[in-house]
Amino acid sequence: AQSVTQLGSHVSVSEGALVLLRCNYSSSVPPYLFWYVQYPNQGLQLLLKYTSAATLVKGINGFEAEFKKSETSFHLTKPSAHMSDAAEYFCAVSGRGNNDMRFGAGTRLTVKP
Amino acid sequence: DTGVSQNPRHKITKRGQNVTFRCDPISEHNRLYWYRQTLGQGPEFLTYFQNEAQLEKSRLLSDRFSAERPKGSFSTLEIQRTEQGDSAMYLCASSPGLTAETQYFGPGTRLLVL
Repeated sequence: AQSVTQLGSHVSVSEGALVLLRCNYSSSVPPYLFWYVQYPNQGLQLLLKYTSAATLVKGINGFEAEFKKSETSFHLTKPSAHMSDAAEYFCAVSGRGNNDMRFGAGTRLTVKP
Repeated sequence: DTGVSQNPRHKITKRGQNVTFRCDPISEHNRLYWYRQTLGQGPEFLTYFQNEAQLEKSRLLSDRFSAERPKGSFSTLEIQRTEQGDSAMYLCASSPGLTAETQYFGPGTRLLVL
């Protein structure tokens, strides 16, 4: 079975500051890992995914994440926050076959001017 | 590519009533998923279809819930005898049916049971 834990339900940063959203996973098989973003009253949009190729994954809107097997982590980063990054971010894990994706509880990112 | 669409976007109903939601996936996507998302939580897997076959159901999907995908295209999720605890956002997603592919999510249907 797979699961993810997102550390911090709410993260607040200043515009232009580094964004770091933490995700740790648990999986009995090599995982596929995902980061999704959700804006108010909208569905989820994929930011990036890890599928056992490069451990550093680059996504949309300047986000990237690094898969660290030794730490069972897949933290999301962005060098410089923008006001438009304010949203809810979800980490997710699935096994091979991708028919049972498990999401974390989410981290709400607030960006202060 | 028009994306995944869901209707209605909002539904208010009284406890005990039946409700039905519709999901239209991206054209030619073989897999279709239903999730439930409550406030402050991530989406929870309910069920998924490979074409018209319902291949997996979560324990969250009680007997009051039924999902269909009759022709392998759109899908419906019906909740019978709604309860206040059913109030949530119901999300639909589709994917091409390959391994490690992205699930594309619709905007969701927000259900409020009074």
